[in-house]
Amino acid sequence: GDSVTQMEGPVTLSEEAFLTINCTYTATGYPSLFWYVQYPGEGLQLLLKATKADDKGSNKGFEATYRKETTSFHLEKGSVQVSDSAVYFCALSDLAGGTSYGKLTFGQGTILTVHP
Amino acid sequence: NAGVTQTPKFRILKIGQSMTLQCTQDMNHNYMYWYRQDPGMGLKLIYYSVGAGITDKGEVPNGYNVSRSTTEDFPLRLELAAPSQTSVYFCASSYWPSGERNEQFFGPGTRLTVL
Repeated sequence: GDSVTQMEGPVTLSEEAFLTINCTYTATGYPSLFWYVQYPGEGLQLLLKATKADDKGSNKGFEATYRKETTSFHLEKGSVQVSDSAVYFCALSDLAGGTSYGKLTFGQGTILTVHP
Repeated sequence: NAGVTQTPKFRILKIGQSMTLQCTQDMNHNYMYWYRQDPGMGLKLIYYSVGAGITDKGEVPNGYNVSRSTTEDFPLRLELAAPSQTSVYFCASSYWPSGERNEQFFGPGTRLTVL
């Protein structure tokens, strides 16, 4: 079945450092890929997405590129801020096999803490 | 425009008690979902609905029931609460399950403890 694997956390960085959170996936079809962010005490918010191979999703300085050859969707940001401290989830939505309800399969989440 | 709202925010239940978690969306979305989030884990799908009157099981449906009588509301029912159901529950909705409009909007969550 479908699965998503994220790098182990937590990740602790200083402000203005470079961020990479690795995400790889297994899917039977041609999934859409997502990064969701969860700030403390809140629900998940969509950060960015990509719906086909080689697409780059970007938002708020974060970027991720859909790499079909390596089945990856790594999240990057050039200069993190304290306000980026949150839990980040990689997810996929696979419509293969006629499952047309858009179920999201999530990774386990990566806790990011940014210090001043 | 409130988006997806959930009530209650917190609840403590005793083993064997029942309760209903409420979820309402005002975006006229056909697709709605219930997930649970356990510590250190990603979210797992409990039930989903593709429109009023149509529901189906997700990955972890045991111990739960749902109904969808209107487009807006998608309540989740726990009949006999068990400690294994201690979790944070998220409701989500989307306009369409694929392509560029495939985005799920999440509610703020309900934190449930079963003692």
